[in-house]
Amino acid sequence: QKEVEQNSGPLSVPEGAIASLNCTYSDRGSQSFFWYRQYSGKSPELIMFIYSNGDKEDGRFTAQLNKASQYVSLLIRDSQPSDSATYLCAAGSGNTGKLIFGQGTTLQVKP
Amino acid sequence: GAVVSQHPSWVICKSGTSVKIECRSLDFQATTMFWYRQFPKQSLMLMATSNEGSKATYEQGVEKDKFLINHASLTLSTLTVTSAHPEDSSFYICSPLDAYTQYFGPGTRLTVL
Repeated sequence: QKEVEQNSGPLSVPEGAIASLNCTYSDRGSQSFFWYRQYSGKSPELIMFIYSNGDKEDGRFTAQLNKASQYVSLLIRDSQPSDSATYLCAAGSGNTGKLIFGQGTTLQVKP
Repeated sequence: GAVVSQHPSWVICKSGTSVKIECRSLDFQATTMFWYRQFPKQSLMLMATSNEGSKATYEQGVEKDKFLINHASLTLSTLTVTSAHPEDSSFYICSPLDAYTQYFGPGTRLTVL
């Protein structure tokens, strides 16, 4: 059973701090990894994707991938209350485009 | 990012009726479309995968005769919930595939009375 695991949280950080969201996956064959943000009552929106080991930065967001440890993380710098949402980690399964989603981590950024 | 529309955004219907949900990729062509369902406070559940011009592949436990999927063009896919019942009330989200990235439609909230 291919799985993606996330701590459901909630993860609470003060405004301006760095939020660190973590995810592990079981399928060593996964080659692509995605982070989506989902506000309550809304559909997920893509934040970042990462395919290679190491870091990938986009504005306040940095995705990190370690294939040896089967670990993906998302760092949010200078967290804002508007970042409060559920963050979904997903791993690509095979070459069909199909994704395996984690349960999501709820982030609360307190002013 | 890619632009995806879904219609209607919400619908309330009586038990036993059928509801059709449309999903359009507005600025790209999607060979593959995924349909998800999400119950409150739960994660996304993949219902089916469809490829343009082919029959959809349904996930285990999803009734193909109840959830009819049509993917007749590269920019339009429809999900029809037939003979809807209250337990079908959920948030339905389409997700067309652009290259190897899934983008999500805004979702359709279905309430069956």
